[in-house]
Amino acid sequence: GESVGLHLPTLSVQEGDNSIINCAYSNSASDYFIWYKQESGKGPQFIIDIRSNMDKRQGQRVTVLLNKTVKHLSLQIAATQPGDSAVYFCAENGNSGYALNFGKGTSLLVTP
Amino acid sequence: DVKVTQSSRYLVKRTGEKVFLECVQDMDHENMFWYRQDPGLGLRLIYFSYDVKMKEKGDIPEGYSVSREKKERFSLILESASTNQTSMYLCASSGKAGKRETQYFGPGTRLLVL
Repeated sequence: GESVGLHLPTLSVQEGDNSIINCAYSNSASDYFIWYKQESGKGPQFIIDIRSNMDKRQGQRVTVLLNKTVKHLSLQIAATQPGDSAVYFCAENGNSGYALNFGKGTSLLVTP
Repeated sequence: DVKVTQSSRYLVKRTGEKVFLECVQDMDHENMFWYRQDPGLGLRLIYFSYDVKMKEKGDIPEGYSVSREKKERFSLILESASTNQTSMYLCASSGKAGKRETQYFGPGTRLLVL
């Protein structure tokens, strides 16, 4: 079946460094992608999205890159801060119906 | 800002009890969703609704039912709670019916079934 996957389950970075979280998807029909951040004990929070007619989109300290050729999505966080420690999920809309497909998440740990 | 609220943050119930989880959104969204989240399994869709009184099964509907009597409210019902339904339950909503777009999540309800 179709799947959304993350390359690394955990990522540890030093405060001030840049972080890159990766996501692979398998459905070539996917045309909308979202990154969520989930802090401990809270619900997922929308960070940034990108549509398939773009290959890059920037937000505040975050950049999402989309490579449709290899079906790969990444989230870059600049100057990572302790408050960025959380689990990050990618999601895409490849399936039919109303639901999104979510990856299992990457845990980002920012160390001082 | 979109606001999705859930009736309880923590809930402890006994096996066999009927459990109601309530979700309310204030953005006039047409789509609403219920997920459960378990370690190592990620988010799994239980049910969703794209309109009042409409519902669709997700990936794991067994043991659950839902109710959507008003646009802003979507309830998840565990008819007879079992220990394997101990989990984090997340409600989400998104805008236009039939469009797969950004979903906004509530804070979650952590349910423990004893």
